[in-house]
Amino acid sequence: EPEVTQTPSHQVTQMGQEVILRCVPISNHLYFYWYRQILGQKVEFLVSFYNNEISEKSEIFDDQFSVERPDGSNFTLKIRSTKLEDSAMYFCASSGRQGSEAFFGQGTRLTVV
Amino acid sequence: AQSVTQPDIHITVSEGASLELRCNYSYGATPYLFWYVQSPGQGLQLLLKYFSGDTLVQGIKGFEAEFKRSQSSFNLRKPSVHWSDAAEYFCAVAVYNQGGKLIFGQGTELSVKP
Repeated sequence: EPEVTQTPSHQVTQMGQEVILRCVPISNHLYFYWYRQILGQKVEFLVSFYNNEISEKSEIFDDQFSVERPDGSNFTLKIRSTKLEDSAMYFCASSGRQGSEAFFGQGTRLTVV
Repeated sequence: AQSVTQPDIHITVSEGASLELRCNYSYGATPYLFWYVQSPGQGLQLLLKYFSGDTLVQGIKGFEAEFKRSQSSFNLRKPSVHWSDAAEYFCAVAVYNQGGKLIFGQGTELSVKP
């Protein structure tokens, strides 16, 4: 069964460092998303990506965040200068069409120290 | 603005008992609604979805949900809970004209007593 894969599963980084979270969406999907879940809180939307550009972003997704689809299979989230409050589980998701069910990866737990 | 409310933060049921998890949404148009389940340390797994048509939808693992437009609700049910159902359950609505993003409720943590 096709699935969304994310790497790494856990990343520890020092405050101020750049991190790149990687995702391989389901191959025939067209819509890609990043969400985050701070420990004990709900899942929050960060950004959606379609046709090689951002289609929607939340107020959380400020200038320190960026997304890229560098090739036909990967979808990355970059955080330029991490802060303590960026510590969270980051989920990548993909869907075949807008508004349809999204399939989630297992997540990357980012810990900023 | 669109929103999803799950009034129950934590529910405990006995194994074999029935379950209903509540979800209310606020959305201006016909909603696309979902229930996801998250086991500890795991990702989000889709349980079921509602797009249109029959308001009672069946999902995986014996779950079902009923869409009630008049009550803006999409409650999740299971007739007989198993210990393996212990997890966090999230209701979500898709915002079609905003890239299809999902807005999630706060989640309901389900504990199952033996």
